[in-house]
Amino acid sequence: QKEVEQNSGPLSVPEGAIASLNCTYSDRGSQSFFWYRQYSGKSPELIMSIYSNGDKEDGRFTAQLNKASQYVSLLIRDSQPSDSATYLCAVVNTGFQKLVFGTGTRLLVSP
Amino acid sequence: DVKVTQSSRYLVKRTGEKVFLECVQDMDHENMFWYRQDPGLGLRLIYFSYDVKMKEKGDIPEGYSVSREKKERFSLILESASTNQTSMYLCASNLQGAETQYFGPGTRLLVL
Repeated sequence: QKEVEQNSGPLSVPEGAIASLNCTYSDRGSQSFFWYRQYSGKSPELIMSIYSNGDKEDGRFTAQLNKASQYVSLLIRDSQPSDSATYLCAVVNTGFQKLVFGTGTRLLVSP
Repeated sequence: DVKVTQSSRYLVKRTGEKVFLECVQDMDHENMFWYRQDPGLGLRLIYFSYDVKMKEKGDIPEGYSVSREKKERFSLILESASTNQTSMYLCASNLQGAETQYFGPGTRLLVL
């Protein structure tokens, strides 16, 4: 079982729709969770972090965390073509501050 | 703004060559990391360093070594490059105690 799992996609949504990206993790002791966005040929950039159960909103982005079920999700409202990218879920392993990444979900937003 | 730079964006090397990839950060970060990213495998940690002259193996250290002689600079060394080391290499850094990592632009290495 992979430590952090994501559906590779692509997830295709029309412009203006809500995109929902999901991630599950295996380390029950994990406390910190991140979403990175990576455009093709570029390096990952942090878009959201979440540490507590529930929702965290930042502009059009909402991160959701459920530690009991060991999943974290990212919602993108009013999706734009510029949101087309690969979204990486990352979890800090208990112990050293080591990030473990999922393989990413490719999002395609069509005009 | 945090700035992490990598010495090359693209690199082509021959099998058996010694390859140096350099990473420099300008934010006085204690921790520095080297990852490789391959399709379907995601980012995998090769080595990390939490202080000058300190290094720790990540998940896939075989075939690689690192050097951290100065706080701002972290080098990844491929002693004898092989074709299976063709990949995108990403450097990252953060402060001690912080979890958010900041990435450099990446080096796409092709080993022929």
